[in-house]
Amino acid sequence: NAGVTQTPKFQVLKTGQSMTLQCAQDMNHNSMYWYRQDPGMGLRLIYYSASEGTTDKGEVPNGYNVSRLNKREFSLRLESAAPSQTSVYFCASSDLQGAETQYFGPGTRLLVL
Amino acid sequence: QKEVEQNSGPLSVPEGAIASLNCTYSDRGSQSFFWYRQYSGKSPELIMFIYSNGDKEDGRFTAQLNKASQYVSLLIRDSQPSDSATYLCAVRFNYGGSQGNLIFGKGTKLSVKP
Repeated sequence: NAGVTQTPKFQVLKTGQSMTLQCAQDMNHNSMYWYRQDPGMGLRLIYYSASEGTTDKGEVPNGYNVSRLNKREFSLRLESAAPSQTSVYFCASSDLQGAETQYFGPGTRLLVL
Repeated sequence: QKEVEQNSGPLSVPEGAIASLNCTYSDRGSQSFFWYRQYSGKSPELIMFIYSNGDKEDGRFTAQLNKASQYVSLLIRDSQPSDSATYLCAVRFNYGGSQGNLIFGKGTKLSVKP
């Protein structure tokens, strides 16, 4: 039981490049989330998926797209990376939207030059 | 705009002392309150959640909620160096009766000195 896994762990991109961050959970959770964490800014919700087949914008969705591929997997895509997207990205899952316990993945550190 | 405010710290306490971490929130309709711990370079993990006014205890941790003052706190008794981490307060705001997502504060960094 791996919980929530994320790939890659670390990535360096040049401005304008695209990439997809992958997230998978093996807890049979319905809801999944993507957050970014910046120094002094706390965790901010980018997108979430309350259940398989649905996705919704969070607090900071601009510059990102998501895909809920199936119940297990939720990917985050940066179509044209910008230095402002340099951050640590966390994926999380929970049994229900907003449920008490959100389980977080180990994070992806992204540096955009 | 839903806001969750925390003192960024660092809060430094000696080993064995009580650490008190505070959080205020902007919306009186908020229903659920959470404390997460995040070690440096790691992901957040849930410590406690509280729904009702008053205290909730779990081992060395006590969460306190005062909805009238829009204030939630976390007390750590007998603080240990292993408690040194950033503590994130999170609030779930309700929208028209349906449960919303968590809003996180910026976190308070706690340092427990041996």
